[in-house]
Amino acid sequence: GAVVSQHPSRVICKSGTSVKIECRSLDFQATTMFWYRQFPKQSLMLMATSNEGSKATYEQGVEKDKFLINHASLTLSTLTVTSAHPEDSSFYICSAGGGRQGAYSNQPQHFGDGTRLSIL
Amino acid sequence: GIQVEQSPPDLILQEGANSTLRCNFSDSVNNLQWFHQNPWGQLINLFYIPSGTKQNGRLSATTVATERYSLLYISSSQTTDSGVYFCAVPAGGGNKLTFGTGTQLKVEL
Repeated sequence: GAVVSQHPSRVICKSGTSVKIECRSLDFQATTMFWYRQFPKQSLMLMATSNEGSKATYEQGVEKDKFLINHASLTLSTLTVTSAHPEDSSFYICSAGGGRQGAYSNQPQHFGDGTRLSIL
Repeated sequence: GIQVEQSPPDLILQEGANSTLRCNFSDSVNNLQWFHQNPWGQLINLFYIPSGTKQNGRLSATTVATERYSLLYISSSQTTDSGVYFCAVPAGGGNKLTFGTGTQLKVEL
């Protein structure tokens, strides 16, 4: 089945540091991947849509200069949290669907294992 | 945007008990997924069920799209079933998902 790998699984770093999180589709190509954020005891909230070869689409209220997304290949999207502060501490998780597909091909989504980010 | 509400928000079961989790959504959808988030945060795909009924072992799910709800049945619950169960539906078309409010399940011995 479709496998999505996410690294690192946990990051602890000082305030002001930039952190890069990778999301890879291991056995399929994905023109679109999605990034979500989850605060403790809350549901998952979509942050942005990562589009291969073009700019990401951000949800309302998400700072694109704070959360840089790059989707340079059909199997890799990266999320960089720039100049991270304690309020950016959260669980970040990515998803992609099976098969080479755009954002509207109606496929089940498969998730990485997530990255727990803690900013001191 | 679409609203997705789940009930109950919390549930405690004795091992071996059965339960039904509900997901209500405010607009018509063309797909729906159920996930189990384990204590380590991993999201496990349970069902992709736009309509009808599916079964996988002790779990089954039914989606009635015309009435805008889906049900997840857990039979003979085990402690490993503990965690948070989410349903999710497409947000504004396409594959990006709007997640429900979640049901926190704890199965005790």
